[in-house]
Amino acid sequence: GAGVSQSPSNKVTEKGKDVELRCDPISGHTALYWYRQSLGQGLEFLIYFQGNSAPDKSGLPSDRFSAERTGGSVSTLTIQRTQQEDSAVYLCASSNGPGSPLHFGNGTRLTVT
Amino acid sequence: GESVGLHLPTLSVQEGDNSIINCAYSNSASDYFIWYKQESGKGPQFIIDIRSNMDKRQGQRVTVLLNKTVKHLSLQIAATQPGDSAVYFCAENGRGSSNTGKLIFGQGTTLQVKP
Repeated sequence: GAGVSQSPSNKVTEKGKDVELRCDPISGHTALYWYRQSLGQGLEFLIYFQGNSAPDKSGLPSDRFSAERTGGSVSTLTIQRTQQEDSAVYLCASSNGPGSPLHFGNGTRLTVT
Repeated sequence: GESVGLHLPTLSVQEGDNSIINCAYSNSASDYFIWYKQESGKGPQFIIDIRSNMDKRQGQRVTVLLNKTVKHLSLQIAATQPGDSAVYFCAENGRGSSNTGKLIFGQGTTLQVKP
């Protein structure tokens, strides 16, 4: 597609449930990123995929968070046993690699009740 | 440690005036810097970037200035318009030429344009 697409745009879930967030990057982009943005805050890095290399998971806040990127394209961010502090906007971005601008989707707003 | 910060959380300017948004960074190994604009309910939108071998780069109505001596980055918007109202984030790559492409973001400055 023309831009990064994320789904769903909004997700409300109960505490303790698992959620999956999807990201379709820009076609041909080799790098894919997940960031988290709490209300009124900056962007917190979560995880980064570059080609076939092992992902940089250094930003994942706990082992409840995981992500995969299938076939070098679509990515899914999974949060298990959600907690209220997980409520935030989860942003996905893709790029042509290091030193190239990241292009962001509009995010998934996650609310944990 | 690595940190990127902005000097002011909110900047209010009159329509037609020039705006200057400032950013400080702490990692001297950073060699790529970028500015984003984020409107309510949307993802950050790329504005302009600059590499460390430059000290100035111009785009359409925007200019980015980089001062590596004092680790300072600024975004200048000429003839600010109501559509420029948004939150502006600076970001750095944090690790120099061998970086992984990960960007470290500042907290953001809200630009308010008064008609």
